[in-house]
Amino acid sequence: QKEVEQNSGPLSVPEGAIASLNCTYSDRGSQSFFWYRQYSGKSPELIMFIYSNGDKEDGRFTAQLNKASQYVSLLIRDSQPSDSATYLCAAGNTGGFKTIFGAGTRLFVKA
Amino acid sequence: EADIYQTPRYLVIGTGKKITLECSQTMGHDKMYWYQQDPGMELHLIHYSYGVNSTEKGDLSSESTVSRIRTEHFPLTLESARPSHTSQYLCASSDPTGSRNTIYFGEGSWLTVV
Repeated sequence: QKEVEQNSGPLSVPEGAIASLNCTYSDRGSQSFFWYRQYSGKSPELIMFIYSNGDKEDGRFTAQLNKASQYVSLLIRDSQPSDSATYLCAAGNTGGFKTIFGAGTRLFVKA
Repeated sequence: EADIYQTPRYLVIGTGKKITLECSQTMGHDKMYWYQQDPGMELHLIHYSYGVNSTEKGDLSSESTVSRIRTEHFPLTLESARPSHTSQYLCASSDPTGSRNTIYFGEGSWLTVV
């Protein structure tokens, strides 16, 4: 079992729809959770992070964390073709080095 | 916003050549990392550093070496490149205080060994 698991996809959604990306983690000591977006041939860029149970909203993006279920998700509202990319979930221990990346979910937004 | 600079961005070299990939950050971050990523594949941590004079091997075995003589500089060296080293190398840094160790990436160095 990988420490951070994501469905590899591809996940295909029509333009304007909500894209829902999911991630589970195995280390209960994980305290910080991150979502990165990576366009093909580019480096990962941070979208948002979440530390507390519940929802965190930033523009069209909402991150959700449920520590009891060891589950993190990212919702993208009003999806745009420019959102087409691979989304990486990462889990880390505060103050430590152990930030583990998932393999990523490929998202396609169809115009 | 992260300020991490990698050079060269693209490089094609012959087998057996020595190559150093440069990485510099201007944020004063203590922690720095090197990841290797093949196209469409997942990230693999190959080296990391807690600070000056600290270097550790990552999860993926690599024939490369690193050094950390200055906080801002974390170069990666391949003494004798092989075609199997063809990949994208991503340098990153993080600050564990306040930002909960958020990792920021450079733009990457694409290495092709022929």
